[in-house]
Amino acid sequence: EIVLTQSPGTLSLSPGERATLSCRTSQSVSSSYLAWYQQKPGQAPRLLIYGASSRATGIPDRFSGIGSGTDFTLTISRVEPEDFAVYYCQQYGSTPITFGQGTRLEIK
Amino acid sequence: EVQLVESGGGLVQPGRSLRLACVASGFTFDDYGMHWVRQAPGKGLEWVSGISWNSGSTDYADSVKGRFTISRDNAKNSLYLQMNSLRAEDTAFYYCAKAQGDVYYYFYMDVWGKGTTVTVSS
Repeated sequence: EIVLTQSPGTLSLSPGERATLSCRTSQSVSSSYLAWYQQKPGQAPRLLIYGASSRATGIPDRFSGIGSGTDFTLTISRVEPEDFAVYYCQQYGSTPITFGQGTRLEIK
Repeated sequence: EVQLVESGGGLVQPGRSLRLACVASGFTFDDYGMHWVRQAPGKGLEWVSGISWNSGSTDYADSVKGRFTISRDNAKNSLYLQMNSLRAEDTAFYYCAKAQGDVYYYFYMDVWGKGTTVTVSS
């Protein structure tokens, strides 16, 4: 099983600041098979990024992803009030499909 | 509009069974793999099970293997999760999710339902 470790656990930022979220995998993951999801309280997860760097339909360009091998990063260039949520990375290249434990982005 | 609607959750005693359903609309259901993903209260996401477009391939998390069975009825645009021998640790919100491809691996989850709650307690 591929274990995904996200850091930090909580990120406290003010609107307008840059957010950098990390996801490290226990084994190399093809960048084709790494996704990021956003989840707000009481809502289902929403796909943000797939293939490590491709934005899903309707996702603003302030969200970007990069990475390869075992190190992946989600960046929000300028955090908007609606971006405060929990973010999960996921690998879907091998089963069991696994998620990171999440990074909570909170208002400072 | 692409939509997934789960149902069948509820309160059940340990050791009993429950069957979840997920009805799909707005896309050609039998072209895509499907998943069940759960989230325990206050916790993160856990993949539970996946099924390919034609039910030819299925897989499970170790935590549910041998107790849960995923299935689908393409004629009814429906996905199911039969949960047997339920345990307290199965208490969670259960989501169905669509894979962006015909199998459940190698494809991300691009559409999620709103979920249904399962509580296992005596």
